[in-house]
Amino acid sequence: DAGITQSPRHKVTETGTPVTLRCHQTENHRYMYWYRQDPGHGLRLIHYSYGVKDTDKGEVSDGYSVSRSKTEDFLLTLESATSSQTSVYFCAISEYGQANTEAFFGQGTRLTVV
Amino acid sequence: QQQVKQSPQSLIVQKGGISIINCAYENTAFDYFPWYQQFPGKGPALLIAIRPDVSEKKEGRFTISFNKSAKQFSLHIMDSQPGDSATYFCAASPETGANNLFFGTGTRLTVIP
Repeated sequence: DAGITQSPRHKVTETGTPVTLRCHQTENHRYMYWYRQDPGHGLRLIHYSYGVKDTDKGEVSDGYSVSRSKTEDFLLTLESATSSQTSVYFCAISEYGQANTEAFFGQGTRLTVV
Repeated sequence: QQQVKQSPQSLIVQKGGISIINCAYENTAFDYFPWYQQFPGKGPALLIAIRPDVSEKKEGRFTISFNKSAKQFSLHIMDSQPGDSATYFCAASPETGANNLFFGTGTRLTVIP
């Protein structure tokens, strides 16, 4: 895998609690993305970042926030987890943006909200 | 609303056979069409990609066929092998920016020996 580490790899949390997922890259790529993967939906973009402190929403951003204080780290926060946020979350990175180049994905974080 | 429609949902092929997965889209702003392969417990990995200025791209046993007028593209896996058993996702992205990569819903391919 292209120097992407997601943590934790698995997490079970209770409804209403805050949760933060971390993505760390060693590739110095400018763009970072958070996707969620659900059966019947494929992968859907939650938020992405095009630089330090520069972020934007994806197609399923409600209930999620992100932060990028360093090039190598991109955090995804669920302010108050709900059962509908049970999913597998993938971080991805790309050098020039997904319109033009390969996106590299991490191993995923399986999140269960009970 | 699914921006990229993918079929079939699952596919079983005999070793040595041809696996075909189809995708369709509506947004004419899409300009980049990659296919990703995902093994269980792993993240997706780019397999092959095409742009609409060509109708076909081949890399080894994997070929993308692209029909711009029909807004359809497909993945052909020739001489399918058990090691090809994975989930395959087509995707599409507009031309500019770090915009969204819209994924299909995935096809689980099983190649039986």
